[in-house]
Amino acid sequence: EAGVTQFPSHSVIEKGQTVTLRCDPISGHDNLYWYRRVMGKEIKFLLHFVKESKQDESGMPNNRFLAERTGGTYSTLKVQPAELEDSGVYFCASSQDPLPGYGYTFGSGTRLTVV
Amino acid sequence: QKEVEQNSGPLSVPEGAIASLNCTYSDRGSQSFFWYRQYSGKSPELIMFIYSNGDKEDGRFTAQLNKASQYVSLLIRDSQPSDSATYLCAVTRGFQKLVFGTGTRLLVSP
Repeated sequence: EAGVTQFPSHSVIEKGQTVTLRCDPISGHDNLYWYRRVMGKEIKFLLHFVKESKQDESGMPNNRFLAERTGGTYSTLKVQPAELEDSGVYFCASSQDPLPGYGYTFGSGTRLTVV
Repeated sequence: QKEVEQNSGPLSVPEGAIASLNCTYSDRGSQSFFWYRQYSGKSPELIMFIYSNGDKEDGRFTAQLNKASQYVSLLIRDSQPSDSATYLCAVTRGFQKLVFGTGTRLLVSP
């Protein structure tokens, strides 16, 4: 079974530019989560999709962040325009179980650096 | 006060010893508790979860939960150098999300 795939693995962009991160969940996993870890801080929840619907986007920092999940398959997280404080590692996780944590499989993350 | 607190470490133990990792949480409504292991530059991987007071054992790992004290711990018996990693404690908040601690770095010396 293929795992959760994220790309790019690394991205360095200038402040003000746009970046799009992509996550391909495990096939058949309806639940897809985005989390972020800023340097020195804890991993923080951003949002949760069930299929193509956003169940909870309370963790999204501001309206510069836009997440989509086309057809309930892969998801993208766009940051526009990027700011320095957006730097960090963005993790995606997917699961079949609707309860958070159970059966989570994390992707290897995208390390975003805004300069 | 952070919702999930962990000592950042590093916690250094010799090979073969028991490593004890601790975590406290503030939300009494949290129902489930998780320990993840994360090697440097890699994704978090689930080691154990627990939702009832008491102990839960899986191989060399034992998770302990005390909801009255809002405390969860992870014991690693017969620690190996390959156990050296950052251990993340996470608790559920509501039905949608996990709240993580900052992690404890464990170093097991040969």
